[in-house]
Amino acid sequence: EVQLVQSGAEVKKPGESLKISCKGSGYTFTRSWIGWVRQMPGKGLEWMGIIYPGDSDTRYSPSFQGQVTISADKSISTAYLQWSRLKASDTAMYYCARLEGIATHFDYWGQGTLVTVSS
Amino acid sequence: QSVLTQPPSVSGAPGQRVTISCTGSSSNIGARYDVHWYQQLPGTAPKLLIYGNSNRPSGVPDRFSGSKSGTSASLAITGLQAEDEADYYCQSYDSRLSGSVFGGGTKLTVL
Repeated sequence: EVQLVQSGAEVKKPGESLKISCKGSGYTFTRSWIGWVRQMPGKGLEWMGIIYPGDSDTRYSPSFQGQVTISADKSISTAYLQWSRLKASDTAMYYCARLEGIATHFDYWGQGTLVTVSS
Repeated sequence: QSVLTQPPSVSGAPGQRVTISCTGSSSNIGARYDVHWYQQLPGTAPKLLIYGNSNRPSGVPDRFSGSKSGTSASLAITGLQAEDEADYYCQSYDSRLSGSVFGGGTKLTVL
């Protein structure tokens, strides 16, 4: 059974750094892409970027390029989303999801990680 | 504004049929990239509903169907049930952005 399990909710202050994780199981982690999707409170889904853990090929949405870093550690089947300096506007639910190709659909989703940034 | 345009809300009575549109452009849907649909129930992660324009994953009832024509796509739900009340999102790849995009989402209310 394919599963994506994300790290728990985080409460941070503006300016702090953060790295959240997404662990895949039940499939060959290095042979599928992992994507990150943001959902701000009461808003829609936003495609942030994707990574291919097999060779760490990473693509970003222009809206998120330079704002976050997506990475993966294939030895532990885990993908990451990180911020160097959080802003209040980063407050959102973040989902990881699997996709077979760059232009394909997300077939399995993680449960989401709620990030709250507040002073 | 989203690259893919969806109506903010639709509604229907139990048993009725509703459709949700997703309008794109020549750099995404019109460029022959597939359209996919997701259902997000309140407080839960999105779930794949339709992929490749009209294909249903295992377990999705055949009350849900998808179609695509030109620069637009549609999701149809027949025999509306109370449990269908959720937010629905379309997704496609955009060659100009070199990445995927989502529609703004449509809230379905079952009257």
